Amino acid sequence: ELKVEQNPLFLSMQEGKNYTIYCNYSTTSDRLYWYRQDPGKSLESLFVLLSNGAVKQEGRLMASLDTKARLSTLHITAAVHDLSATYFCAAEDSNYQLIWGAGTKLIIKP
Amino acid sequence: GAGVSQSPSNKVTEKGKDVELRCDPISGHTALYWYRQRLGQGLEFLIYFQGNSAPDKSGLPSDRFSAERTGESVSTLTIQRTQQEDSAVYLCASSLDTTSGNTIYFGEGSWLTVV
Repeated sequence: ELKVEQNPLFLSMQEGKNYTIYCNYSTTSDRLYWYRQDPGKSLESLFVLLSNGAVKQEGRLMASLDTKARLSTLHITAAVHDLSATYFCAAEDSNYQLIWGAGTKLIIKP
Repeated sequence: GAGVSQSPSNKVTEKGKDVELRCDPISGHTALYWYRQRLGQGLEFLIYFQGNSAPDKSGLPSDRFSAERTGESVSTLTIQRTQQEDSAVYLCASSLDTTSGNTIYFGEGSWLTVV
């Protein structure tokens, strides 16, 4: 059974700093998804990582996937307040269903 | 439509009443998903449809929950005899199909409060 763990679950940081959110999963999965959720809002797709070694970047966010280590990372560069949100990762299981992490609540202080 | 549309956006109901939540997926998306998210929690998978069929109903929390989809379009999630623990936001999502790598697009959710 595929399980997904994110850490940290809560992160408070200053603007301008760099940080990484980690997403570990327990069994083989070749697809990893990152979503953002603002308070009271729905989920917005950020990245879909489809293969080992995949790296995608959008603005100050960069996501990578290492299928051998069963690890995906979401790196935030020079954080700005607008990036405050909860970030979820999800791994795809053998039935093509997404198994979700618990989410990382990110607060970026101006 | 342009995105996944859900209704109602907010619903307050008395314990024991039945509620129906509706989802209109993105046009052409054959896969449709229902999730539940309790306040401050992650996503809990409920059910998915490929076309009008629901191959996996194991995520439904109890037999009070049911879902259907017609015309490979609109889906309805029904909760009978609501309980306070049913209070949550119910998120619907759709994708082109259930094969690997398709982006899943979420609706704004239906916020259910059972009092």
